[in-house]
Amino acid sequence: DAGVIQSPRHEVTEMGQEVTLRCKPISGHNSLFWYRQTMMRGLELLIYFNNNVPIDDSGMPEDRFSAKMPNASFSTLKIQPSEPRDSAVYFCASTPSALNTEAFFGQGTRLTVV
Amino acid sequence: GEDVEQSLFLSVREGDSSVINCTYTDSSSTYLYWYKQEPGAGLQLLTYIFSNMDMKQDQRLTVLLNKKDKHLSLRIADTQTGDSAIYFCAETSTDAGNMLTFGGGTRLMVKP
Repeated sequence: DAGVIQSPRHEVTEMGQEVTLRCKPISGHNSLFWYRQTMMRGLELLIYFNNNVPIDDSGMPEDRFSAKMPNASFSTLKIQPSEPRDSAVYFCASTPSALNTEAFFGQGTRLTVV
Repeated sequence: GEDVEQSLFLSVREGDSSVINCTYTDSSSTYLYWYKQEPGAGLQLLTYIFSNMDMKQDQRLTVLLNKKDKHLSLRIADTQTGDSAIYFCAETSTDAGNMLTFGGGTRLMVKP
């Protein structure tokens, strides 16, 4: 398996634009997590899904952030409108089940909002 | 919420042992993890320990867990320059819905 695949690897966008980050979890994994990493705040859990259903989105910072998981092999994290303070590395991770938390991480998307 | 804390920085010489420490507050932790992050890369799971164990060894890595003191450590024997990275301690518990809570990471620098 290729592991968790995120795209794009890097994204530079202007303030106010919509940004969509994509994640393909490992096949057969049924829990998916989105994290944000910044120097100031470290790794923060934004939202996680179990069997494509959002379980906890309390880490999503604002209504400008939304995440979807339309099927078991794809998830998106959307920021609309984007702001400079959203600049961070966004990681997606998946685990085989809700009980097994051996999470496998993607390479991350480095987002820069100017 | 629950906290996981680590020291920010550790510097060792190549060939020495490294010990990275972590403390946590969650009494209901089930698994504790060590992840490694190299520059520009994602987090790589190194090892994990179930909360009813007190030690786990995997090649150069030794994990020690003191559940009473809520203290976790990662010892890297014969540290190499390739071990230079940020190491994250993480924990999960059934009370938290099996979500991972990460520490802030310890940057390990290995000097030749």
